[in-house]
Amino acid sequence: GESVGLHLPTLSVQEGDNSIINCAYSNSASDYFIWYKQESGKGPQFIIDIRSNMDKRQGQRVTVLLNKTVKHLSLQIAATQPGDSAVYFCAEIGGNKLVFGAGTILRVKS
Amino acid sequence: KAGVTQTPRYLIKTRGQQVTLSCSPISGHRSVSWYQQTPGQGLQFLFEYFSETQRNKGNFPGRFSGRQFSNSRSEMNVSTLELGDSALYLCASSLANPNTEAFFGQGTRLTVV
Repeated sequence: GESVGLHLPTLSVQEGDNSIINCAYSNSASDYFIWYKQESGKGPQFIIDIRSNMDKRQGQRVTVLLNKTVKHLSLQIAATQPGDSAVYFCAEIGGNKLVFGAGTILRVKS
Repeated sequence: KAGVTQTPRYLIKTRGQQVTLSCSPISGHRSVSWYQQTPGQGLQFLFEYFSETQRNKGNFPGRFSGRQFSNSRSEMNVSTLELGDSALYLCASSLANPNTEAFFGQGTRLTVV
């Protein structure tokens, strides 16, 4: 099957700090990107999306940045809270289907 | 409104058996996609259905199949189960185009022994 990456990095941040989660995507023709959050025992939950004609999009406490030149996507979470602890996945639209990155574990220390 | 419902939540099967998993999408959603999630391979696309037709398929063997009914509910079937099929199987629904916001169910945890 298709997938992007096998290793699951971990980011540990102090409660109240900002978090930045990075993702490298593979398909330069992808025109739509999504960040998902997955908590233990649950399915992925949509956080924010961005189209390739944008380089930044903001939501509530979250910002997604897209750098098409280097095929890089980042998710910034402001004032990280314990409830933000989860696995975060970036996903790109490739061939009319979502292709997910390996994911990043975010741990928030109180 | 109700979210995506997957049944059963947990399943234990023996090698060689077959299994059927069910997914009820959000009301009004017509696109249903299936994914396999394992620690080693991450989230991998299995297939996508729209209006009872498979529109897209991932790189899985023919033992993995699916279908969609007229009410948009979908099932996936895995025949001749192997130990490596142990995974969390996730279903996602979207209005019509899977390339827009997709809502995921909680998944079915399949263990093959």
